[in-house]
Amino acid sequence: AQSVSQHNHHVILSEAASLELGCNYSYGGTVNLFWYVQYPGQHLQLLLKYFSGDPLVKGIKGFEAEFIKSKFSFNLRKPSVQWSDTAEYFCAASGSKAAGNKLTFGGGTRVLVKP
Amino acid sequence: DTGVSQDPRHKITKRGQNVTFRCDPISEHNRLYWYRQTLGQGPEFLTYFQNEAQLEKSRLLSDRFSAERPKGSFSTLEIQRTEQGDSAMYLCASSYGQGNSPLHFGNGTRLTVT
Repeated sequence: AQSVSQHNHHVILSEAASLELGCNYSYGGTVNLFWYVQYPGQHLQLLLKYFSGDPLVKGIKGFEAEFIKSKFSFNLRKPSVQWSDTAEYFCAASGSKAAGNKLTFGGGTRVLVKP
Repeated sequence: DTGVSQDPRHKITKRGQNVTFRCDPISEHNRLYWYRQTLGQGPEFLTYFQNEAQLEKSRLLSDRFSAERPKGSFSTLEIQRTEQGDSAMYLCASSYGQGNSPLHFGNGTRLTVT
């Protein structure tokens, strides 16, 4: 069965600290990978996506993610977080053969950045 | 881009009542998705439309749930005989075209069944 797991449910860190959120997936065949962010009171927004090519993907707001096929991982990173990065982060995957890009989401990681 | 619009934002209903939610996708997006999100969990796929055709339904979508997209534009999700376990955030998303177009999500409808 297709699944996505996120390692941490909650992360608390201070401004300027580095952030890394883990994501592992289990999918048959080719996989497309995404990170979405949900700021308090707002809708889910796409941070970045990986379909093919360079496994290091750069997204908005200084985020990047690295696809490591051998580890079935797609971890999200940001070298120096800001208070405004406080949000919930979701890793998601879809299979290229999946009808209409249906996404399977991980359980999410709540990130609290202390000023 | 006016975004995906969902109505209402909040709905409180008594157990056993029927509720209907509406989703207006981004114009010209031919794909529309419904997800459900409970506290502490990621969104779970419910169903998907391409234009007016409902192409896939999750096993999560019991017989009490029905979704429509009659003209290939807005969509409705109806829950009949609501149960307390239906309390959740119901998210709508849309995307354009084929291939790997990303999903754009609405703000969701929060349902509370008392």
